Formats: sequence, C-alpha cells, structure tokens
Amino acid sequence: GAGVSQTPSNKVTEKGKYVELRCDPISGHTALYWYRQSLGQGPEFLIYFQGTGAADDSGLPNDRFFAVRPEGSVSTLKIQRTERGDSAVYLCASSFQAYQPQHFGDGTRLSIL
Amino acid sequence: GENVEQHPSTLSVQEGDSAVIKCTYSDSASNYFPWYKQELGKGPQLIIDIRSNVGEKKDQRIAVTLNKTAKHFSLHITETQPEDSAVYFCAASIRGGQAGTALIFGKGTTLSVSS
Repeated sequence: GAGVSQTPSNKVTEKGKYVELRCDPISGHTALYWYRQSLGQGPEFLIYFQGTGAADDSGLPNDRFFAVRPEGSVSTLKIQRTERGDSAVYLCASSFQAYQPQHFGDGTRLSIL
Repeated sequence: GENVEQHPSTLSVQEGDSAVIKCTYSDSASNYFPWYKQELGKGPQLIIDIRSNVGEKKDQRIAVTLNKTAKHFSLHITETQPEDSAVYFCAASIRGGQAGTALIFGKGTTLSVSS
C-alpha cells in the first residue's frame, strides 16, 4: 500500500510476556519514528531511526523497550517483560528524510492483561 | 522539559462557523509545527504544517499562524463541516530539530461540528 503499515492492529497478551510490533514505512522513506499514545493523550516520542541506525532513543521509557531497523526499511519495536502500564497504542511514522513531514500508520493497540 | 499546551480541550461549533485551536510551546529552539487530525481508531493525519521562517500558511479552509516571539501557534478552520469532527493535535519539533524532527504533541482538541 501507499501508507505506513503496522501489524498487528491489535495485540492482547499477559503481563510478563514478550511482544514485537512491526512497522512498514512508506517506500523510500529513510526516517522512521515510533511514538506511544495513551488514552486521551497526544503521541509521545519513543525513538527515531535514520536509515538503519537509531539516531535518538531518548524517549524509550526503560531498558525493556528496544527497536531495530536492520535493513533501513521495516522496523520492529520489542518490549520485554510487559507490564500493564505498557498498554497503549503504538504508532509508527515515516518521512522521506529527516526534517520532512511525518506520516503515521494506524497503530498497534497493545493491551497487557 | 519541553512542553506543548493546547486549548481548548473540547470545541463545539455549528456547521459553517469557524473554529480556532491554540497552542503554546516552551522550547525556543523549536522550528517546525505540524497539525494532525485523528479520527477514532486511526492514526494521526497531517493536515497542515508551518516552519519558523513563516508567519502564516493557508490551505483552502485551513490556516495556521505562528508567533515565534510569544511561542504560540494557532489552527483556524473556516466554514466547518460535520466531517471536520475529530481530535486535532498540535505538535512542535523538539531539541531544535536535531536528530530528525522528533515531535512533542499537545493533548488534543475534540472538535464537534453539528449540522
């Protein structure tokens, strides 16, 4: 498709489990961002990739969160030892280059029971 | 730390009226200010943006104004239509636009347009 694709659209898992969330950016976009959105709030920045490297991971809340983008296209956000407070919508955005407008996917709604 | 405040949190207008949403930001190094529209169950959709070297930008019924001295910017929607009903978010680039254009968002405004 033409837009940012995120899978799965919904994920329900138990506390303590490991989850992976996938983002397919718009083709040709070199910059990729992950955000987290809690109910009734605006998106909160987590991590930014330029190409394959994480240029800024200052928004990751703790070391249970990790993200990769090994080939400079698809990115995976990984959460270990999930906690109920991790429940949120995880949004991915991409832009053609840094400093260009960001386009968002529809997110993955993560629910930790 | 960096902060973006957005007002009002809810806004109800009649179809055809204008709607104005205002935001203030704290980081004087911010230089990029987009506005997003989010419908239920969807991701934010970029509707207009402005950079710090411009004071105003317009796209059909939507306009954005920026006052860098006062560190505030506003979204103006004219001739509102029921399909404009959604949650609107303002955002500002953080860390002066270094490390890409990571954004800090306001808490959103729920706009309801009644026919």
